[in-house]
Amino acid sequence: LAKTTQPISMDSYEGQEVNITCSHNNIATNDYITWYQQFPSQGPRFIIQGYKTKVTNEVASLFIPADRKSSTLSLPRVSLSDTAVYYCLVGGILTGGGNKLTFGTGTQLKVEL
Amino acid sequence: NAGVTQTPKFRVLKTGQSMTLLCAQDMNHEYMYWYRQDPGMGLRLIHYSVGEGTTAKGEVPDGYNVSRLKKQNFLLGLESAAPSQTSVYFCASSYLGDETQYFGPGTRLLVL
Repeated sequence: LAKTTQPISMDSYEGQEVNITCSHNNIATNDYITWYQQFPSQGPRFIIQGYKTKVTNEVASLFIPADRKSSTLSLPRVSLSDTAVYYCLVGGILTGGGNKLTFGTGTQLKVEL
Repeated sequence: NAGVTQTPKFRVLKTGQSMTLLCAQDMNHEYMYWYRQDPGMGLRLIHYSVGEGTTAKGEVPDGYNVSRLKKQNFLLGLESAAPSQTSVYFCASSYLGDETQYFGPGTRLLVL
């Protein structure tokens, strides 16, 4: 299974940009990289997905270097409501059978005033 | 659209009892998943399904069974509950295997 490594926790202040990096050294050619956000007592929620280079949506950006062995989730100008656990997921259900769904322990982001 | 719903929201079982958790989705997704999440840990895949009538084992399938008789429903069964199965269970669905997963609100299960 694809193994991902993230920092256990990060602290930030409101208005700052936060970058969370995920390492995935054994990523396969067909694997997409997906980030999820989870608040206490809720299910994870999709943030962004990418394959290479840079992807941006209304809430975040995802930077993926050429070797794709890591990825960085960038949250611009965080607020208190961004306090949550962020998970990096590499891969999914394989077309030929099997799965590569390993969420890892995630990164607890705490945003303060 | 309700998205992904889970029933029940909370349940207490005694060791050895059985129960079924129900997951329903109204997005016409082919893929459905059952995860468990324990304190301080990420989500671990229990079983998944790539379509109606199909199921497959995930990372931690022991002690659980699943069924996907209808495309919109994915059932997770515990035949003989054990305290080690105390956890929060999340169901998810996706259109394809490598696309966005939509998660339900979770079921908290306590096995005494």
